[in-house]
Amino acid sequence: EVQLVESGGGLVQPGGSLRLSCAASGFSFSSYSMNWVRWAPGKGLEWLSYISTSSRTIYYADSVKGRFTISRHNAKNSLYLQINSLRDEDTAVYYCGRENYVAFGMDAWGQGTTVTVSS
Amino acid sequence: EIVLTQSPGTLSLSPGERATLSCRASQSVSSIYLVWYQQKPGQAPRLLIYGASSRATGIADRFSGSGSGTDFTLTISRLEPEDFAVYYCQQYDSSPWTFGQGTKVEIK
Repeated sequence: EVQLVESGGGLVQPGGSLRLSCAASGFSFSSYSMNWVRWAPGKGLEWLSYISTSSRTIYYADSVKGRFTISRHNAKNSLYLQINSLRDEDTAVYYCGRENYVAFGMDAWGQGTTVTVSS
Repeated sequence: EIVLTQSPGTLSLSPGERATLSCRASQSVSSIYLVWYQQKPGQAPRLLIYGASSRATGIADRFSGSGSGTDFTLTISRLEPEDFAVYYCQQYDSSPWTFGQGTKVEIK
């Protein structure tokens, strides 16, 4: 069974940092590109970042470029998102999503981890 | 950045009715790069349609996608109780990849 499990969320003060993790199982993690997406009430879904299988290709949304860093460790079947300089507007549920192998689209998602930015 | 505008914001319908959801792009998007998701409260999104018109694995055939260029449509032929949710389109044509703001399909 394909499983993605996010962790690392929590309550953090503005300006703080967090490292989110996504543990993958049930599939060949190294063969799939991965994404981070967040959802905030009243704002909907926001795509944040993409990383290719080899980490050679990385993309970011303009809203997080320079503050967020995506990475992966294929031997550990894990995806990461380093989030720095947190702002109130970063409060959201953060999901990792597996890129469909044959076409575009995220065909597997984790349950999400909640990040709350507040003083 | 390609902006996706979904309409209507909310669609109030009864089970058994047909739902037609629109996704309009600020510039042309190749069909292979347009996808649709369903999201229910407290759950992760679920991939419904990829390549504008291909159903993802396990998706019921009452869901269909169409369109090209700047105008795309998701149609639910006959609404089942489990279809009441929020639907998002997303484009992969150019980075940053963007979502529409969503259409909520609610029970009338």
